[in-house]
Amino acid sequence: NAGVMQNPRHLVRRRGQEARLRCSPMKGHSHVYWYRQLPEEGLKFMVYLQKENIIDESGMPKERFSAEFPKEGPSILRIQQVVRGDSAAYFCASSPRRVRNTEAFFGQGTRLTVV
Amino acid sequence: GESVGLHLPTLSVQEGDNSIINCAYSNSASDYFIWYKQESGKGPQFIIDIRSNMDKRQGQRVTVLLNKTVKHLSLQIAATQPGDSAVYFCAETRPGGGADGLTFGKGTHLIIQP
Repeated sequence: NAGVMQNPRHLVRRRGQEARLRCSPMKGHSHVYWYRQLPEEGLKFMVYLQKENIIDESGMPKERFSAEFPKEGPSILRIQQVVRGDSAAYFCASSPRRVRNTEAFFGQGTRLTVV
Repeated sequence: GESVGLHLPTLSVQEGDNSIINCAYSNSASDYFIWYKQESGKGPQFIIDIRSNMDKRQGQRVTVLLNKTVKHLSLQIAATQPGDSAVYFCAETRPGGGADGLTFGKGTHLIIQP
């Protein structure tokens, strides 16, 4: 059973470009969480999705950021018109139930660098 | 605002000694706590969890203690090994509204000295 898969592992974008980060949850997991980690800091919750639904996006910036988890395929975190401040590691976690009841399993992350 | 934080950013211990990593939380309504280990360049890895109706939980070489009176959480690692070198985060979940994910502290970097 493969773990949570994120790709790409590293992504370099110029300011103004779009970044698309992908997350395939563990088999059987229908709950996906996205987190952002700035250097030397802890992870900050961004968004919680179930298949085809955004459950909680209270941690998402209001502009330029969007997330989806379609019925088929991976969850996508999309950042439009990237700026230098978007440079960070973005982690995806999945769980079979809401994370309150069980531990979530994290992927290796995508390290976004905006130049 | 409410937060989960750690007392020390860096902890250096001798190989073979026990390590104690501390965490303070401010929301007394938090009902579930998790310790994660994050090695360089990797995602957080679950270590151990504890619910708010417990004071102590033991795993393999690790023990988590929860003191709800002072809102303090600690992770004890017995006989620390070089492979324990990592950043350790405590995280909490809260019942009810707000972010449905985990709230993380800033992390403690555990350094193992030979």
